[in-house]
Amino acid sequence: EPEVTQTPSHQVTQMGQEVILRCVPISNHLYFYWYRQILGQKVEFLVSFYNNEISEKSEIFDDQFSVERPDGSNFTLKIRSTKLEDSAMYFCASSDLAKNIQYFGAGTRLSVL
Amino acid sequence: GQQLNQSPQSMFIQEGEDVSMNCTSSSIFNTWLWYKQDPGEGPVLLIALYKAGELTSNGRLTAQFGITRKDSFLNISASIPSDVGIYFCAGRIIQGAQKLVFGQGTRLTINP
Repeated sequence: EPEVTQTPSHQVTQMGQEVILRCVPISNHLYFYWYRQILGQKVEFLVSFYNNEISEKSEIFDDQFSVERPDGSNFTLKIRSTKLEDSAMYFCASSDLAKNIQYFGAGTRLSVL
Repeated sequence: GQQLNQSPQSMFIQEGEDVSMNCTSSSIFNTWLWYKQDPGEGPVLLIALYKAGELTSNGRLTAQFGITRKDSFLNISASIPSDVGIYFCAGRIIQGAQKLVFGQGTRLTINP
């Protein structure tokens, strides 16, 4: 069964450093998303991306965040200058046009020290 | 912002028991989804609901989209050890809006 894959599974970084989280969405999907989950809390929407542009973003997704689809298969989330409070699980998801069910990857655990 | 209130927060049951959890909101949803999350993993879709009043089953799982479009429940019958995990409801509020709003989750623990 097709799946969303995310790398790395765990990223440790120093505060102030830039990180790039990578995702390979399901191949025929057109909509891509990033969510985050702080330890023990609910999953929160960050951003959605369609047709090479952001279609919706939350208040969490400030100027420190950016997304990119650098080629036909990858979808990335960049955090420009990480803060301690950015420590969380980051989930990528994708959906096709028709049913809009979002399928999630296994996540990247980001630890900011 | 939009809020989904999910209850209960946690459940401790015996293997074989039935389970029921629900989500409510003050907002109207046009899609309800139920996901399960195992430790260290991403949410895995269990059931998707698209119409008010819709009742859908997936094996031992049954979920319904409330007729007011503001609530949904998930039932698990005859629980087994692999049902352990965190169950999240999620929904889309505005027609065409992409983001999912998640509930706080129900942590299910099963005593063998």
